[in-house]
Amino acid sequence: QKEVEQNSGPLSVPEGAIASLNCTYSDRGSQSFFWYRQYSGKSPELIMSIYSNGDKEDGRFTAQLNKASQYVSLLIRDSQPSDSATYLCAVNGRYSGAGSYQLTFGKGTKLSVIP
Amino acid sequence: ETGVTQTPRHLVMGMTNKKSLKCEQHLGHNAMYWYKQSAKKPLELMFVYSLEERVENNSVPSRFSPECPNSSHLFLHLHTLQPEDSALYLCASSQGTADSFSSYNSPLHFGNGTRLTVT
Repeated sequence: QKEVEQNSGPLSVPEGAIASLNCTYSDRGSQSFFWYRQYSGKSPELIMSIYSNGDKEDGRFTAQLNKASQYVSLLIRDSQPSDSATYLCAVNGRYSGAGSYQLTFGKGTKLSVIP
Repeated sequence: ETGVTQTPRHLVMGMTNKKSLKCEQHLGHNAMYWYKQSAKKPLELMFVYSLEERVENNSVPSRFSPECPNSSHLFLHLHTLQPEDSALYLCASSQGTADSFSSYNSPLHFGNGTRLTVT
């Protein structure tokens, strides 16, 4: 079964440190990758998208994609307590039995930034 | 009003009740989705509508019945649910048509969700 895998955590980092969140996926045909942040009791919000191998930076966030290794990561520099949330990796691919493309989510990694 | 709005925010229902969840998007998107989020499980895609036509139904039990009267509105009708159906139900929308590869380059925009408890 094709999957998107994330370490569930919790991942604890001190304030100001770099938080590194990892995600692996099984469908080699996947082309689009997204990171969502979900605060407790809230809905997921998009923070990064990446489509090509390499790094993509947006403020304190950097997404890294390696299609050969089927690996996507999110780095958060200068972590703040407000970054404490669950981070969901989402990958498009032919994960459904019908053969159509759909966005499949990992279980999420819970990040805790300690003041 | 902008974004994706869902009502109600919280719903408690008995197993014999019939209720409906409502979703409205103000983003001009062409595709709408229902997801289920249970504790310690990944988001599960339930239904996809593209241009008001159902594209995907991931083997969801018939006690869940979706309705998409137009590209801005999506409903999820609930009937004789089970306690294990208690979860956060999320509506989302995206640009593009859900039956094409390119649509999944478009990110999903989620509503605030409905927290459903079945007693």
